[in-house]
Amino acid sequence: GAVVSQHPSRVICKSGTSVKIECRSLDFQATTMFWYRQFPKQSLMLMATSNEGSKATYEQGVEKDKFLINHASLTLSTLTVTSAHPEDSSFYICSAMVDYEQYFGPGTRLTVT
Amino acid sequence: AQTVTQSQPEMSVQEAETVTLSCTYDTSENNYYLFWYKQPPSRQMILVIRQEAYKQQNATENRFSVNFQKAAKSFSLKISDSQLGDTAMYFCAFLYNNNDMRFGAGTRLTVKP
Repeated sequence: GAVVSQHPSRVICKSGTSVKIECRSLDFQATTMFWYRQFPKQSLMLMATSNEGSKATYEQGVEKDKFLINHASLTLSTLTVTSAHPEDSSFYICSAMVDYEQYFGPGTRLTVT
Repeated sequence: AQTVTQSQPEMSVQEAETVTLSCTYDTSENNYYLFWYKQPPSRQMILVIRQEAYKQQNATENRFSVNFQKAAKSFSLKISDSQLGDTAMYFCAFLYNNNDMRFGAGTRLTVKP
């Protein structure tokens, strides 16, 4: 099956700094990738749809200036959390769609101190 | 808008027994896909089973099977011969138009030895 990787798996940053999370499709090309956020013991919440070569589509309530998404190639999408605050601490998951099936990355745990 | 409801926050089953997880959804669409995903403690999302709405036959995958009732908009997951490794969060998901996947709140399943 298709493999999606994420880097880093864990990151701790100080409040006010920015952090970048990478999502890569390893053995296929993905014109569309998705970014989710998951709070403890809760479901996945779609943040945005990342489209290669164009602007991302953000879900209602998600600040596009805070969560910058760049899908510069067919195998890489990045999520940058700008001016991070403790409330941004969460588990972030990316995925890519292939033939009506989503393949998920292993997730990134972000802790903002 | 599509919504997915999982009414069982937690369930438990004895090892080797059978358990059924419930899922209902709401949509006005006729062609769509339904999924069950498993999220073990590692938090990696793993596809368990998939059902195309246009197929009347219920999907099966080894010990996992679904009861898809399109008219009732119900999509339950049956796990037979439960194993300790089945302990995880299970999410029901709805996909329409290859672009927008919505998840239920999840059911935490514990398999007891």
